[in-house]
Amino acid sequence: SQQGEEDPQALSIQEGENATMNCSYKTSINNLQWYRQNSGRGLVHLILIRSNEREKHSGRLRVTLDTSKKSSSLLITASRAADTASYFCATDLDSGAGSYQLTFGKGTKLSVIP
Amino acid sequence: GEEVAQTPKHLVRGEGQKAKLYCAPIKGHSYVFWYQQVLKNEFKFLISFQNENVFDETGMPKERFSAKCLPNSPCSLEIQATKLEDSAVYFCASSQSGGNTEAFFGQGTRLTVV
Repeated sequence: SQQGEEDPQALSIQEGENATMNCSYKTSINNLQWYRQNSGRGLVHLILIRSNEREKHSGRLRVTLDTSKKSSSLLITASRAADTASYFCATDLDSGAGSYQLTFGKGTKLSVIP
Repeated sequence: GEEVAQTPKHLVRGEGQKAKLYCAPIKGHSYVFWYQQVLKNEFKFLISFQNENVFDETGMPKERFSAKCLPNSPCSLEIQATKLEDSAVYFCASSQSGGNTEAFFGQGTRLTVV
């Protein structure tokens, strides 16, 4: 079953604006990863945030993690048309079994209008 | 190599035929994962390997699906007697170690069963 649920399902913004996507999950995690998928292409890894971290930055990306609320957000600042893609969160569950499999949400489809 | 290489990019099979997909993980990565993406959003974990050994096969359909990672060969995912519902994009990912490390994905193989 899908652990992460992204919100919103779709987001349309103007170039230059900020985009915020949220992800909620249900059980304890070791880490949470954000990926980007351009149409018809593979997944590009964006950021990994561990369960003991609260915030990470990478360029124009900022990820927060709130383990008490079981949620994460991805902020893209000063968006560009090239940021148009689907964004997925994926959790590595702390199941104790050491599986390391990722459980994906259904994604947020971001459209950045030039 | 520096990226996960999947072949072929596209595969068309008649219902009942066999399909075999290949994945070369990033050199030095010990873990390989296979995921199935249906309808451009939902990802389903299939199986993972630690080197040549099956690590977690809880997502593999019991019948028709098999996978291997043999030394000095690309990993493979084989589907016997394909069904229409097997049509999906199959992604392979590799990571350096299992936990709390980024998983890097290939470009996927699009399987169409007709």
